[in-house]
Amino acid sequence: EAGVAQSPRYKIIEKRQSVAFWCNPISGHATLYWYQQILGQGPKLLIQFQNNGVVDDSQLPKDRFSAERLKGVDSTLKIQPAKLEDSAVYLCASSPVVFSDTQYFGPGTRLTVL
Amino acid sequence: AQSVTQLDSQVPVFEEAPVELRCNYSSSVSVYLFWYVQYPNQGLQLLLKYLSGSTLVKGINGFEAEFNKSQTSFHLRKPSVHISDTAEYFCAVRVGGGNKLTFGTGTQLKVEL
Repeated sequence: EAGVAQSPRYKIIEKRQSVAFWCNPISGHATLYWYQQILGQGPKLLIQFQNNGVVDDSQLPKDRFSAERLKGVDSTLKIQPAKLEDSAVYLCASSPVVFSDTQYFGPGTRLTVL
Repeated sequence: AQSVTQLDSQVPVFEEAPVELRCNYSSSVSVYLFWYVQYPNQGLQLLLKYLSGSTLVKGINGFEAEFNKSQTSFHLRKPSVHISDTAEYFCAVRVGGGNKLTFGTGTQLKVEL
């Protein structure tokens, strides 16, 4: 079974530029999560999708971050414009159902904002 | 709101020695508890989880954890570590009925020869 795929693995941008990350969850997984992991901290949930609907986006900075999962499969997270404090690893995870006890994580995208 | 505290940011240990990584949580309602491991440049992988039942939970790679409700703790233990256990370990909590995982800040386990 293929795992959660993310691309790119690394991205370096200047502040005020835009960036997008892509995630393809495990086949058949209805729930998809985006986390932000700042160096020295644990992952923080940004947004959770159930199929193509948003379950929780309470910690998503909506003035600059957006995410979509149009067909209920893969997802894109965008930052526009980026700030220095957005430097982090962005992790995507998926689970079979919304209250699943196990989330399966991708390798993450390391973003550096200069 | 629930929170998770991992007091030790780094734990150095010699190979074949026992190790305990500490995790304390705060929540006024029932919780589900998890330990995840993150190897360098990889995503998180579930080690073990406590949902209900026996308070001693066994996971992969020889790890186990004990849920202690009175002390609000869920410490991770391994009787004999290997070099390959070098990684970052995250404790996480999910409040019963909720869907959000709250992670601790992580403990870097470094196993030395």
